[in-house]
Amino acid sequence: GAGVSQTPSNKVTEKGKYVELRCDPISGHTALYWYRQSLGQGPEFLIYFQGTGAADDSGLPNDRFFAVRPEGSVSTLKIQRTERGDSAVYLCASSLIGTEDTGELFFGEGSRLTVL
Amino acid sequence: AQKVTQAQTEISVVEKEDVTLDCVYETRDTTYYLFWYKQPPSGELVFLIRRNSFDEQNEISGRYSWNFQKSTSSFNFTITASQVVDSAVYFCALSEPVYNTDKLIFGTGTRLQVFP
Repeated sequence: GAGVSQTPSNKVTEKGKYVELRCDPISGHTALYWYRQSLGQGPEFLIYFQGTGAADDSGLPNDRFFAVRPEGSVSTLKIQRTERGDSAVYLCASSLIGTEDTGELFFGEGSRLTVL
Repeated sequence: AQKVTQAQTEISVVEKEDVTLDCVYETRDTTYYLFWYKQPPSGELVFLIRRNSFDEQNEISGRYSWNFQKSTSSFNFTITASQVVDSAVYFCALSEPVYNTDKLIFGTGTRLQVFP
């Protein structure tokens, strides 16, 4: 498809386990973002990439969270030693060059993570 | 401090009524962008508009209109003649590119229910 693709759409894991969430952005988009959305809340910024580099990772809550984008396309959000508080929908978005352009971010449908 | 406040948690209207969604923001600088996004039940956020802080002209797009007032730090969104398909959660957001970051700060959202 032409949109932002996120896998898995649902992930249930046990406390303490390691989780990877994948984002496949729109082809040609250099900017990629990860947000986290808890129930009844707005999306909360985690990290954004320009190309392969993390331009701003100030939203990552602690060192259990890490994200990579090795070839400037697909990105993986990695969560170590998951905790129940990590349960949320993890949203990925991409943009041609960022909000300085048209401002439009294209979001995927999210990966719902449940930590038991 | 940077903050976006959407005081209305939920609004219910009957089809064809006009409805206004409020958004108040706090920002550190004079250069910023304001956004509105729509999140239908599918979960995928859909971009509606971006407004530059130097452009206070009101915007109209079909049944949608936006009122940006810097004097009150507000960026309100009005839907005229609402339709059932307008039912969704609407988020207002802020970005401050002058700080070399492209992150969006979202409000907590307003859930709009339009009844037939």
